[in-house]
Amino acid sequence: AQSVTQLDSQVPVFEEAPVELRCNYSSSVSVYLFWYVQYPNQGLQLLLKYLSGSTLVESINGFEAEFNKSQTSFHLRKPSVHISDTAEYFCAVRHNNNDMRFGAGTRLTVKP
Amino acid sequence: DVKVTQSSRYLVKRTGEKVFLECVQDMDHENMFWYRQDPGLGLRLIYFSYDVKMKEKGDIPEGYSVSREKKERFSLILESASTNQTSMYLCASTPPGYTEAFFGQGTRLTVV
Repeated sequence: AQSVTQLDSQVPVFEEAPVELRCNYSSSVSVYLFWYVQYPNQGLQLLLKYLSGSTLVESINGFEAEFNKSQTSFHLRKPSVHISDTAEYFCAVRHNNNDMRFGAGTRLTVKP
Repeated sequence: DVKVTQSSRYLVKRTGEKVFLECVQDMDHENMFWYRQDPGLGLRLIYFSYDVKMKEKGDIPEGYSVSREKKERFSLILESASTNQTSMYLCASTPPGYTEAFFGQGTRLTVV
């Protein structure tokens, strides 16, 4: 089965600073990649996804992620974070056996 | 909007009890999943189902079983609850293809 590694368990950052949350996956076949966000005491929400086409995908709230096949990575970035971005972020991968696997999560804390 | 409904938000059960967690989706999705979420471990796949009466083990199936008698309903069963099964349980569903998963709000199970 494929696996997902999120390299940082916690990322503290000051408001308006840039941030990168790292995600690597292990699979040699076609994959479909996702980032989910979980705000405190809420359920999981899809942030963005890569299915095919352009390797750079964007969310409506300023996050972007780039699919890099050679490095098997799908890192999430935002050029300027807000306090409201404080949440836990999960990277996930699917391929053609129908299952979906998640990383251990990265807790992003934005400080004023 | 897709709706995935888990029957309980909070449950407290005693060690040794048989526990049923129910999940219903209203969008005729083929694939359904059960995960448990623990701090620092992310979401770990317990079981998934790609059709009625079909099931596949995930990464941590020990101590659990599942039932899918109807397309819209996927039940997780703890045959004999133990304290190490205290966790947040998340149900998800997806349509055919490799799109994102839609999640329920979760059931926080405490085994005492």
